[in-house]
Amino acid sequence: KNEVEQSPQNLTAQEGEFITINCSYSVGISALHWLQQHPGGGIVSLFMLSSGKKKHGRLIATINIQEKHSSLHITASHPRDSAVYICAVRRGSQGNLIFGKGTKLSVKP
Amino acid sequence: DVKVTQSSRYLVKRTGEKVFLECVQDMDHENMFWYRQDPGLGLRLIYFSYDVKMKEKGDIPEGYSVSREKKERFSLILESASTNQTSMYLCASSEQNSYNEQFFGPGTRLTVL
Repeated sequence: KNEVEQSPQNLTAQEGEFITINCSYSVGISALHWLQQHPGGGIVSLFMLSSGKKKHGRLIATINIQEKHSSLHITASHPRDSAVYICAVRRGSQGNLIFGKGTKLSVKP
Repeated sequence: DVKVTQSSRYLVKRTGEKVFLECVQDMDHENMFWYRQDPGLGLRLIYFSYDVKMKEKGDIPEGYSVSREKKERFSLILESASTNQTSMYLCASSEQNSYNEQFFGPGTRLTVL
């Protein structure tokens, strides 16, 4: 069983829809990251969470430590949001991350 | 702006060749990482380094080695490339504090024929 599971694997939405991507993990963590990867490969860090909720523009990330679950929400989705979204967790105090396999999002105009 | 650069975006090599992938960061970060990314498997850690001349094995170090002679540069070496090392290779760096985010390079897509 993977230590970090994301769902769904693929997601197609219409422009303007509210989108939720889920991440569950099975290990103790010190932080959880949400990353975005556009076609071409470059990865950008969206959020780093250790508790609660963070918001940046149309993106919202939440984490429930007790349930070992995090969600990434995109409000008023746009075709430029089309990308692979990756959840990653950091174990303990070391710098290593464990990555989920990613969720491929396609937003149609 | 933090910048992590990788020496090549695309690379084609033959089986048995020695391959060097270079990564340079300009933010004086202590930590540097090499990952490979394969469809259906996500990113997997090959090696990482917390300081100059220091290296630690990640989850899949077999067939790879690394070198960190200067703080800003972290090299990944494939001593004898094999076809199963065809992959996307991503370098990342971060500050020493484990709560800091990692900054990724653009990736090198390596094909071994």
